[in-house]
Amino acid sequence: GQNIDQPTEMTATEGAIVQINCTYQTSGFNGLFWYQQHAGEAPTFLSYNVLDGLEEKGRFSSFLSRSKGYSYLLLKELQMKDSASYLCAASHQAGTALIFGKGTTLSVSS
Amino acid sequence: DSGVTQTPKHLITATGQRVTLRCSPRSGDLSVYWYQQSLDQGLQFLIHYYNGEERAKGNILERFSAQQFPDLHSELNLSSLELGDSALYFCASSGAGTDLKGTFGSGTRLTVV
Repeated sequence: GQNIDQPTEMTATEGAIVQINCTYQTSGFNGLFWYQQHAGEAPTFLSYNVLDGLEEKGRFSSFLSRSKGYSYLLLKELQMKDSASYLCAASHQAGTALIFGKGTTLSVSS
Repeated sequence: DSGVTQTPKHLITATGQRVTLRCSPRSGDLSVYWYQQSLDQGLQFLIHYYNGEERAKGNILERFSAQQFPDLHSELNLSSLELGDSALYFCASSGAGTDLKGTFGSGTRLTVV
């Protein structure tokens, strides 16, 4: 089967660091994606991990452990505009559809 | 502008009706994926087309169908609409090879009343 779990909501303050966790169980696994989605808008790509380890991109980093079926998205120096839903998604084969978690709604306050 | 165009942006229709949602992929992309996003669910994969052929089906109801045309645009047909079909419908397109992430269109918000 396929199952992706992530927390429903998280809150943080401006300037802080927040870690959004994601665990996955998929039949076959190719890679793990993170997307950001503002309310009513399209998801936008943030990161992709296929190998174990940390991928850093500016204020955002993503980590993957294939053996543990675990990933996290790390957001540093939080800004108000980072308030959004963060979607974890797994692909089980390149070129196939993504299986999404329900998303984590992050609220950043001043 | 992501390069993926979805029309219409908003659609309000009555129960029992039929609607067609349209998606034009990014130039050069051969794959089109359709997703449904309702309030209580995450993005649910519906169907995938590659170069005109159906590649995979997800949680797509029998009342729903799709196709991809020779010019690579795709249409999602929703019939016998129910209140529960109210949702955001996204399409995403991707190219071959290394373009794994897909690029999403801005979505069609369907409201069934």
